Amino acid sequence: QKEVEQNSGPLSVPEGAIASLNCTYSDRGSQSFFWYRQYSGKSPELIMSIYSNGDKEDGRFTAQLNKASQYVSLLIRDSQPSDSATYLCAVNIQGGGNKLTFGTGTQLKVEL
Amino acid sequence: GAVVSQHPSRVICKSGTSVKIECRSLDFQATTMFWYRQFPKQSLMLMATSNEGSKATYEQGVEKDKFLINHASLTLSTLTVTSAHPEDSSFYICSVRRGQTYEQYFGPGTRLTVT
Repeated sequence: QKEVEQNSGPLSVPEGAIASLNCTYSDRGSQSFFWYRQYSGKSPELIMSIYSNGDKEDGRFTAQLNKASQYVSLLIRDSQPSDSATYLCAVNIQGGGNKLTFGTGTQLKVEL
Repeated sequence: GAVVSQHPSRVICKSGTSVKIECRSLDFQATTMFWYRQFPKQSLMLMATSNEGSKATYEQGVEKDKFLINHASLTLSTLTVTSAHPEDSSFYICSVRRGQTYEQYFGPGTRLTVT
């Protein structure tokens, strides 16, 4: 089992819809969870962080964390074509020092 | 967020030469920086963790003598690709760790092409 797993996609949603991106992780001791957005040919950009169970909202983005089920998700409301990118889930793994473990990313396509 | 710069943004070099890439944290001091490599349409791959004032920690399979990392100050880390080969052509990205958190902020990346 991979330490951080994401469906590679592509996930296609129509403009204006809600995009739901999911991530599962293997380490029950993980405490810090992040979502990064990466446009093609560019470096990743941090868009959300979450540390406690429940929801965290920031504009059109909502991160959801469920430590008991070991998953973290990202919801994007009112999806726009400019949201089309690869979304990377990152988690700290116990014993991993200061580094983050990244999933392979989910490609999101928002269609007109 | 945080502002991280990388230089150069693109570099083309001949096989056998060395290339140095700089990563700067512009708005806070960073004791820890990270170096990643990403091949086209592939995942982000951590190469090494750069610690200010001490030796870098390399991931398994990454040759420390080929990828030299120096983190001589709290705002600058450098990656030198020595004796570059065409298979080293890739997108090299640094990131900066914020304080004692796990948050990482990425630089814009350096695209290396070895001919």
